[in-house]
Parts: sequence; structure tokens; C-alpha cells
Amino acid sequence: EVQLVESGGGLVQPGRSLKLSCAASGFTFSNYYMAWVRQAPKKGLEWVATISTSGSRTYYPDSVKGRFTISRDNAKSSLYLQMNSLKSEDTATYYCARDTADYWGQGVMVTVSS
Amino acid sequence: EIVLTQSPTTMAASPGEKVTLTCRASSSVSYMHWYQQKSGASPKLWIYDTSNRASGVPNRFSGSGSGTSYSLTISSMETEDAATYYCQQWSSNPYTFGAGTKLELK
Repeated sequence: EVQLVESGGGLVQPGRSLKLSCAASGFTFSNYYMAWVRQAPKKGLEWVATISTSGSRTYYPDSVKGRFTISRDNAKSSLYLQMNSLKSEDTATYYCARDTADYWGQGVMVTVSS
Repeated sequence: EIVLTQSPTTMAASPGEKVTLTCRASSSVSYMHWYQQKSGASPKLWIYDTSNRASGVPNRFSGSGSGTSYSLTISSMETEDAATYYCQQWSSNPYTFGAGTKLELK
């Protein structure tokens, strides 16, 4: 059974940093692209980042480019999202997703507020 | 950026009623995914590559379309189908989602 379990969320002040983690199991992690998708409270879904199988290629929308960094550790079957210079508009539930989002984690809440 | 416009924004359907949700892209995309999300839960892949049902999705659901116009159809509405449905394209970076259609039970 595919499982994706996010962790690392919480309350953070504007301008500060936070790192999310996603532990994957139930599939061969190193064979899949991985992604992060977020959802602001009562809002729709927004793609945040994608990483290739080896980690050599990463993709971001303009809204987070230069502030967020996606990475992975295939030996640990883990995905990460380093979020710097956080803004109030980054407040959302962050989901880890496999490849083109065929499986999703349960999500982790990030609140950016002073 | 490809903008996906879903319609209607909200709708209500009676049990047994046929339902069609639409998603229009601002530029042509190769295929469309659809996700179902119920309140307080993570989204689930529902339809992939335009017309393929994800594992466990009832066959009353179908997807179709091409180019800039896509749709998700429920042949006969059931209580459990009440949810928000999002379309999404993975054809062109940034990989955009529609704003969603909230489907309620009448």
C-alpha cells in the first residue's frame, strides 16, 4: 500500500524558514518523480514543486521560485521542501504527492503569522 | 501559464441525475486529470489522462475531451459523489489546477 506521511508543519513568523518532510513507503521511491501541492484555507489546489527521480531536475511556479527548494533522499525514501522567506500567503496545507499526483499524503498545515 | 476554468462553480444534483462538469483550458493541453476532494480529506486522483478511471472509481464516472475542452460526467448521481472536483493539467509548466466545482446533493 502506497503511503505518504508529511511532517514538519507549524506556526512560523513571516520571513522565517521551515522544512517539510515526507516519508514514502509501499513503492519504489527512487523510480518516481515526486511533488508538493498546497491548499490555502478554504481555497483550491496549487502545485508547488516537482523533482525528478534522481533529484537533478526541479520545477517550481513563479510564486515560490527562489524561496522554496524541493529535494529528496532516495536511500531514505524521503522527500523534502525547504521553505525560506515565508509570507502570509504561503499559509496552507501542504501535500506530498507521487509523480503526477496519483497518490497524496494526508497533508501538513503551515501557518505564517506574526 | 495555462488557466483552467471550471464550470459550474457550484451545483446540486438529485440522486439518479446525470451530471456533467466542464473544464476549459486557455491553451491546448495533451490530457486532463480530475481529482475528488471531500471536506477535511486529501484529494484523490479520480480520472487520469482525460478518460481513465483511477483504481476504485465507480464506472458511473467518465471523462472525455481534447485540446481546450474537457468534461467529467456522472451517469447517475449518488449520495457519495457529493464533493469538490478539480481538473488539472500536467502538460505545461506551471502545472495548473482549476478552481474546482463543488457538487452537492439536492
